[in-house]
Amino acid sequence: EVQLVESGGDLVEPGRPLRLSCRASGIPFRDYVISWFRQAPGKGLEWIGIIRSNIYGGTTDYAASVHGRFSISRDDSRSVAYLQMNSLKSEDTAVYFCAKGRNRRPTSTWYFDLWGRGSRVIVSA
Amino acid sequence: DIVMTQTPLSLPVTPGEPASMSCRSSQSLLNSDDGNTYLDWYLQRPGQSPQLLIYMVSSRASGVPNRFSGSGSGTDFTLKISRVEAEDVGVYYCMQRREYPFVTFGQGTRLEIK
Repeated sequence: EVQLVESGGDLVEPGRPLRLSCRASGIPFRDYVISWFRQAPGKGLEWIGIIRSNIYGGTTDYAASVHGRFSISRDDSRSVAYLQMNSLKSEDTAVYFCAKGRNRRPTSTWYFDLWGRGSRVIVSA
Repeated sequence: DIVMTQTPLSLPVTPGEPASMSCRSSQSLLNSDDGNTYLDWYLQRPGQSPQLLIYMVSSRASGVPNRFSGSGSGTDFTLKISRVEAEDVGVYYCMQRREYPFVTFGQGTRLEIK
């Protein structure tokens, strides 16, 4: 089955770290970018970061709201992407989604056509 | 950042009737270098993750019924459903990727059945 599955969400105290995983199945994982998004309770969608495929350098970009605190990595041998979240704040409380996209041109195809079901992170003392 | 604004925020519709919702961007989503306009639509059904409906303003994603259509240009875009069905309930988000990967979403239009 073609799917992405997030895991690792938890209740964590402010200032503590947490790592989420995004495991892919049924796709050639190494060929795709993985982006992370989040959705705070009752709110809309926010893009937080991306990791490109290693054939395109495996480079990353982050939203200003998480830059310097969050980092994304990938292990193509395991078809997994990771979201390392450090110095967590209460405003990081959200459901975190990973989604796959393309690297190869044309850029018209660089949409996000497969999403995971999400992993809930609650930051609270 | 490009700010996306959707209207209305809530859209009650009778099954079988049409529905229309709008999305406006604070800057043009047209890339003059390649002539493409980078605007996508997603549907998030209750309790589910977002799914791609429309990409590049008007192209339906794989498996999306043809009752869904997208249109627009520059900064103004519209998503239409020709005849609403119960399964169309959820929140519709427009997303710009003109500034890929720094994509941004509208606040969403919640479609509900009357």
